[in-house]
Amino acid sequence: QTVVTQEPSFSVSPGGTVTLTCGLSSGSVSTSYYPSWYQQTPGQAPRTLIYSTNTRSSGVPDRFSGSILGNKAALTITGAQADDESDYYCVLYMGSGTVVFGGGTKLTVL
Amino acid sequence: QVTLKESGPVLVKPTETLTLTCTVSGFSLSNARMGVSWIRQPPGKALEWLAHIFSNDEKSYSTSLKSRLTISKDTSKSQVVLTMTNMDPVDTATYYCARMDSRGAHFDYWGQGTLVTVSS
Repeated sequence: QTVVTQEPSFSVSPGGTVTLTCGLSSGSVSTSYYPSWYQQTPGQAPRTLIYSTNTRSSGVPDRFSGSILGNKAALTITGAQADDESDYYCVLYMGSGTVVFGGGTKLTVL
Repeated sequence: QVTLKESGPVLVKPTETLTLTCTVSGFSLSNARMGVSWIRQPPGKALEWLAHIFSNDEKSYSTSLKSRLTISKDTSKSQVVLTMTNMDPVDTATYYCARMDSRGAHFDYWGQGTLVTVSS
């Protein structure tokens, strides 16, 4: 069974930069998995941030960026703000409509 | 304006079958580029993908839950239906439907979610 790995938690100072990663239990993440990233605050539905590795969804500030770093997908937040404090999920597309969610990263801004 | 809205029972008993409906607007379920997935999230836990249906009616399911899930759609009613059999308290979760854009294979619109509690 495919497992998508994310850091359980991360902390960043206001104005700082943080990079969250998304890996595979076996193998490397590449653009072929069309990695996407979603932000979720408590009680709310997820919001799409990044898709196809590095394409920002409409209305997403440019302080959010996506990339492949080594063998993982990465979400970088540059100039973190208080309202970036959320859970972040990556999703990898496995083909034929099948996707796998990562376990999520709880980001604290303090 | 694209919207998705989940509906279904708030409470189900163990062993019962859950039926959830996702009613969409602002796009057609026959749009070749679009499909709809069901995703759930137990309280305090991570999101979990359950099932997906394409515009051509092809379907895919989570390996771990495949035996319990059925996804279908009624294009004329703009509805996608998920059934999950043999419900258990561990299935207590918020259930979301989301549109997948095949261009980039990502979820671009989400429903608000519906909380389903499994309890006797």
